[in-house]
Amino acid sequence: AQSVTQLDSQVPVFEEAPVELRCNYSSSVSVYLFWYVQYPNQGLQLLLKYLSGSTLVKGINGFEAEFNKSQTSFHLRKPSVHISDTAEYFCAVSDFRDDKIIFGKGTRLHILP
Amino acid sequence: GAGVSQSPSNKVTEKGKDVELRCDPISGHTALYWYRQSLGQGLEFLIYFQGNSAPDKSGLPSDRFSAERTGGSVSTLTIQRTQQEDSAVYLCASSLIVGAQGETQYFGPGTRLLVL
Repeated sequence: AQSVTQLDSQVPVFEEAPVELRCNYSSSVSVYLFWYVQYPNQGLQLLLKYLSGSTLVKGINGFEAEFNKSQTSFHLRKPSVHISDTAEYFCAVSDFRDDKIIFGKGTRLHILP
Repeated sequence: GAGVSQSPSNKVTEKGKDVELRCDPISGHTALYWYRQSLGQGLEFLIYFQGNSAPDKSGLPSDRFSAERTGGSVSTLTIQRTQQEDSAVYLCASSLIVGAQGETQYFGPGTRLLVL
């Protein structure tokens, strides 16, 4: 079965600094990978996803993620964060065998002024 | 068009009472998912529907939890004899195509359940 690990429950970062949110997954087959974002008092929305092809995926709001099969990782990055990026970020995985999507426990991004 | 809607947005109930949570998916979406979000626990998968059938009920935490979907649209999650540990935000999501992997899920705003 698949699993997702987000090692950092909270990440503080200064405004305009770069950020990386880590995600590692476990699966014995090819996977599809997602990052969802939940802004305060809002529902989850898709930030970006990897299905196949280029391992560097660009999403909304200047975020990008890189699929690394050898390291079973899908870390999320942004070169310069803004106060509006304050949110909780969830990494998720699914594969062709199952319609379920397994979510990580989330990483809360705190932007410091 | 309208997104996924859930009702009620908030529900406070007494321990031992039954509650019903409702989800209206995006029109035309054949797949519907229920998750539970507890503080510090991320999103816990509960159940999903392909049309009106639920192929996988393994995520339901106990036999007090049940869900149904009628007409390939609205779904109801029922929790019987609620316990304090059932307090959480219950999220519903839908996606367009049944069985197609990699589909984007569209989430509702959730129902915040508090069991006193």
